[in-house]
Amino acid sequence: GESVGLHLPTLSVQEGDNSIINCAYSNSASDYFIWYKQESGKGPQFIIDIRSNMDKRQGQRVTVLLNKTVKHLSLQIAATQPGDSAVYFCAENPGSGKLIFGQGTELSVKP
Amino acid sequence: GAGVSQTPSNKVTEKGKYVELRCDPISGHTALYWYRQSLGQGPEFLIYFQGTGAADDSGLPNDRFFAVRPEGSVSTLKIQRTERGDSAVYLCASSSQAGYYEQYFGPGTRLTVT
Repeated sequence: GESVGLHLPTLSVQEGDNSIINCAYSNSASDYFIWYKQESGKGPQFIIDIRSNMDKRQGQRVTVLLNKTVKHLSLQIAATQPGDSAVYFCAENPGSGKLIFGQGTELSVKP
Repeated sequence: GAGVSQTPSNKVTEKGKYVELRCDPISGHTALYWYRQSLGQGPEFLIYFQGTGAADDSGLPNDRFFAVRPEGSVSTLKIQRTERGDSAVYLCASSSQAGYYEQYFGPGTRLTVT
């Protein structure tokens, strides 16, 4: 069946370093992907999205890369800050709006 | 402006009881989604509404779960004969329309069935 999963469940980085969070998806027909950040006790917060007709998209300190050949998605956070500590989810939107989430990666930023 | 709100924030109920969870979407958003999130997992889709109608309820686990959105704004998720396995955080999200539009999530309702 369709699934979206993450390679690493936890990631620990030093403040100021760059972070890379990876995600694999299985449905080659998917054409819209989103990264969410979730802090403890809160709902997921939109970070950045990308359509399948793009390979890269940049936001403020974040970049999403999409490799359709190997069905891989990554989120890069530049100059990681303590406020970036959270769980990060990739999600797949097959078109209806119904999101299919992966398990999540917990990012821990050490000061 | 106001975001998505959900009430109650926490609900503890006994096995077998009936519960209702409420979601107030962002004003003007026509699409409303319900998800369920178990500890350590990503949110899992339950149902979504476009206006007043349920456009996709394929994620509802069984017929104990039901949701309504009678006036196209507030939605209520109803769970009958609750079971311990229903314990989770129930998240609501809304977007301006269904499809490729950003979904804004509420803080969730933590349901605990004892």
